[in-house]
Amino acid sequence: DGGITQSPKYLFRKEGQNVTLSCEQNLNHDAMYWYRQDPGQGLRLIYYSQIVNDFQKGDIAEGYSVSREKKESFPLTVTSAQKNPTAFYLCASSRGQGDQETQYFGPGTRLLVL
Amino acid sequence: AQSVAQPEDQVNVAEGNPLTVKCTYSVSGNPYLFWYVQYPNRGLQFLLKYITGDNLVKGSYGFEAEFNKSQTSFHLKKPSALVSDSALYFCAVRDIPGRHDYKLSFGAGTTVTVRA
Repeated sequence: DGGITQSPKYLFRKEGQNVTLSCEQNLNHDAMYWYRQDPGQGLRLIYYSQIVNDFQKGDIAEGYSVSREKKESFPLTVTSAQKNPTAFYLCASSRGQGDQETQYFGPGTRLLVL
Repeated sequence: AQSVAQPEDQVNVAEGNPLTVKCTYSVSGNPYLFWYVQYPNRGLQFLLKYITGDNLVKGSYGFEAEFNKSQTSFHLKKPSALVSDSALYFCAVRDIPGRHDYKLSFGAGTTVTVRA
């Protein structure tokens, strides 16, 4: 988990509320990723960013939004449009310089709905 | 898109016995394969990867993986399991190598339990 921090560790969302998950890395990585983990389903990609001020939708982007204003930061907002947000959210980063590059993960944020 | 399958939801072994976690893949080009481990309520930790070259890849914590092109497999192995190896293990493959998004496709995961 070293080099990538996520906060908070636990987050509670009320009905109709937008919440933002923080992800910061000090690895000088260009690429950053957000995954959602549900039991028995592995990890699914929500959004990714290869460079500052640019990001792309992943496989399950509906109900989520991101920004990439700084190289070190890639916050994820879970909007009220996401009807089933309860999950474990993982942020990752990589140098983004080739297929052989390893993605490194943060410790995760568990989102629960009140 | 590429894909990986982990055919076993759970693997149970006794401490000191060999541990094998299975993974098969489907790719349309050269495979780039990864293994990660996850402890409860933690992020994923990188164990090892296969890019090219030697079919036996050695990684962290005494783990190794054997790449078998003819069987399209990349099984994770450890000669002598420890109770502390009990965790959730994920196999992943680079999704569409050569396209510059470097996405990974993950298997559903295999829960390993090592009993004392």
